Amino acid sequence: DAGVIQSPRHEVTEMGQEVTLRCKPISGHNSLFWYRQTMMRGLELLIYFNNNVPIDDSGMPEDRFSAKMPNASFSTLKIQPSEPRDSAVYFCASRRDGQPQHFGDGTRLSIL
Amino acid sequence: SQQGEEDPQALSIQEGENATMNCSYKTSINNLQWYRQNSGRGLVHLILIRSNEREKHSGRLRVTLDTSKKSSSLLITASRAADTASYFCATDEGGSEKLVFGKGTKLTVNP
Repeated sequence: DAGVIQSPRHEVTEMGQEVTLRCKPISGHNSLFWYRQTMMRGLELLIYFNNNVPIDDSGMPEDRFSAKMPNASFSTLKIQPSEPRDSAVYFCASRRDGQPQHFGDGTRLSIL
Repeated sequence: SQQGEEDPQALSIQEGENATMNCSYKTSINNLQWYRQNSGRGLVHLILIRSNEREKHSGRLRVTLDTSKKSSSLLITASRAADTASYFCATDEGGSEKLVFGKGTKLTVNP
């Protein structure tokens, strides 16, 4: 039973570049969540989808961040242009209604 | 906003001892969950306790919830080196799908 799959696991890029993080949720799960984890702010919810529809994006820091879920098995989080303060670990999680969230192992992003 | 706040921030114990971590939150909840995160990995769900429950057990884990004090505790009995991880509490915001996580307790179990 495959868990939530995130790619890449590590990304190092220069500021100003576009960054795309990818997530494949667990098959059959109908909600998907994007989080950001930093030492200073802990784990923050950025956006979540239900049945591929964005429900709450109030945690998205600014217009440089965008997320899409074109189908039930794929989601992307894009940062354009990237800045050093975007450096963090980004997690994707999915769940089925009434069940706990399952997390991927995250993408460690470093913006130089 | 950070609703759940864990205490202590870090805890170091010997194998075989019990570990107790506490969590406080601010608003009303439907349930409270505890997650574990090993270094470099994602969070793993441990246990969920509903607002009408006071105590719940799962293996070596015991969770209590006091809604009058807006607090919860996680007890790990007979700890093992493999329990070394960060532990987070998470609360639902008024019953929504959104979870709000605390900053976690870093537990080190020394062999």
